[in-house]
Amino acid sequence: DARVTQTPRHKVTEMGQEVTMRCQPILGHNTVFWYRQTMMQGLELLAYFRNRAPLDDSGMPKDRFSAEMPDATLATLKIQPSEPRDSAVYFCASGLSYYEQYFGPGTRLTVT
Amino acid sequence: KQEVTQIPAALSVPEGENLVLNCSFTDSAIYNLQWFRQDPGKGLTSLLLIQSSQREQTSGRLNASLDKSSGRSTLYIAASQPGDSATYLCAASGAGSYQLTFGKGTKLSVIP
Repeated sequence: DARVTQTPRHKVTEMGQEVTMRCQPILGHNTVFWYRQTMMQGLELLAYFRNRAPLDDSGMPKDRFSAEMPDATLATLKIQPSEPRDSAVYFCASGLSYYEQYFGPGTRLTVT
Repeated sequence: KQEVTQIPAALSVPEGENLVLNCSFTDSAIYNLQWFRQDPGKGLTSLLLIQSSQREQTSGRLNASLDKSSGRSTLYIAASQPGDSATYLCAASGAGSYQLTFGKGTKLSVIP
């Protein structure tokens, strides 16, 4: 049963620390999305990759967030430095097209 | 900019009841409309996808309809069960766009 995996599932860190979240897309999927979910804003798109190339990262605060796909089996989302307002659940999703998205279980980030 | 609204934010019904969840969107030039289910602490699972040329889609006890002219979609759940308890989100995508705009969801509780 192919699934998107995300690590860590939970992360608590202090303000100013670097946070790296990892995602393993389903094998063979060529699109990867990063989303952030909060109670106030709901689900927001942070970044979109196709064939490992970043096509859109306009949803990310550029000064602190970065997203990469070092290879087809790994996508990373990094926050440096982290701030309390970054506390949220971060989801990765993969698919073969933009409207067919399989979501991972998410990383719950708490920044104190 | 597309905006998606789901009302109510929460809904509680007794087991066995038929129910309707509502979703409205501001831009009728959508490519498709999707309904997702989110269980606590988990990612999103796609339930139904309606292409802009379609008016409805059915899967088991679920039926989703789309009325582009009025900017509305509904998810009908027949004979609700406690296992249907979850948050249901709708998402709209624009023509030629990879972006899914999500509503904030309706939290459904089915009481045994």
